[in-house]
Amino acid sequence: EDQVTQSPEALRLQEGESSSLNCSYTVSGLRGLFWYRQDPGKGPEFLFTLYSAGEEKEKERLKATLTKKESFLHITAPKPEDSATYLCAVQAKGAQKLVFGQGTRLTINP
Amino acid sequence: DSGVTQTPKHLITATGQRVTLRCSPRSGDLSVYWYQQSLDQGLQFLIQYYNGEERAKGNILERFSAQQFPDLHSELNLSSLELGDSALYFCASSVGASGILTDTQYFGPGTRLTVL
Repeated sequence: EDQVTQSPEALRLQEGESSSLNCSYTVSGLRGLFWYRQDPGKGPEFLFTLYSAGEEKEKERLKATLTKKESFLHITAPKPEDSATYLCAVQAKGAQKLVFGQGTRLTINP
Repeated sequence: DSGVTQTPKHLITATGQRVTLRCSPRSGDLSVYWYQQSLDQGLQFLIQYYNGEERAKGNILERFSAQQFPDLHSELNLSSLELGDSALYFCASSVGASGILTDTQYFGPGTRLTVL
């Protein structure tokens, strides 16, 4: 069964303090790994899709990387507006449903 | 704004009742997905429709059903509601064509269901 585990569950940083969120996965053939951002009471907002090991994508202060077993979301010099829950999901080959991790709740203090 | 719309935003009802949640996908998207998000379970896939046909089923209870109409909007029907059905229900849409590399799912704002 496809599985996604995210760590840590919660992370509190000071503004400007860079860090990384981890997403470990097991999947029967990876079609894609997705990162979403979710604000409280809102729908997940798409950030990145990664398809193969070694791939990297960047958007503003965020950079996502992928290996054969895990993905990292690196946050560089974060700002308070980066506070949110970050969700990782995998999509297996031949499937279209997403299997989500429990998320990492990120808080950036000014 | 993802382009996916959901109504209503909030729904409060009693145990044993039946409710209908509605979703309109992004323009051009043929696939609609329903997910349930609760505090203890996280985001769980319920069901997918593609161009009016059911394509995949996840952990959807028999009391729940869905359909996709010719104009591609979708409805999720929840019946004989229990306290444990209280959750956020999200609809997502994607182009849905098989074989394409990028088939990102875009999520709507959700419907918060409270069963009292």
